[in-house]
Amino acid sequence: AQKITQTQPGMFVQEKEAVTLDCTYDTSDQSYGLFWYKQPSSGEMIFLIYQGSYDEQNATEGRYSLNFQKARKSANLVISASQLGDSAMYFCAMSETLSGGYQKVTFGTGTKLQVIP
Amino acid sequence: NAGVTQTPKFRVLKTGQSMTLLCAQDMNHEYMYWYRQDPGMGLRLIHYSVGEGTTAKGEVPDGYNVSRLKKQNFLLGLESAAPSQTSVYFCASQQGYEQYFGPGTRLTVT
Repeated sequence: AQKITQTQPGMFVQEKEAVTLDCTYDTSDQSYGLFWYKQPSSGEMIFLIYQGSYDEQNATEGRYSLNFQKARKSANLVISASQLGDSAMYFCAMSETLSGGYQKVTFGTGTKLQVIP
Repeated sequence: NAGVTQTPKFRVLKTGQSMTLLCAQDMNHEYMYWYRQDPGMGLRLIHYSVGEGTTAKGEVPDGYNVSRLKKQNFLLGLESAAPSQTSVYFCASQQGYEQYFGPGTRLTVT
């Protein structure tokens, strides 16, 4: 069974500094996807970044990068140059595509990031 | 494009009452999902649908029913609400590897 672990319930970062949010996963599948979502206080789930298990290069999207270490089964999110608007809950998730195209997604418990001015 | 919309945004029910949450998407996606989010936990899958007329159980289906009569709509029903169903409910549709989420419905059962 898939499992996602986020060990940091909460983190603080100074504005303009970089921060790394940890995520480890467990799966016996060879093909899977890893995601990060942002959930601000307004409640919506915002897709940030995706990494496929066969992708050799780390995914990047603007200030977000996913540090994918397959052997360690980790998929940490790095946010560079933090902004006040980055204060939110961040969820790591893993997907497994089953027969028929259904995507089973398992979410971690989240890390609450607070950016300090 | 409105994306994924959910109705209502907030609702308070008394124990034993019934209600239906509506999810609508205008992106012509085949796959749709219902999740619930509880404090200190990530999202957990309730039910999902791989196309019009088909539904299946997810991780926590007890106490819920769903229907997908039209491709664009995915309904989540609570026949007899219980306080344990107090939660925030998210609907999502899928294109490729990405799931697109609705804004959520905050349900309180007293």
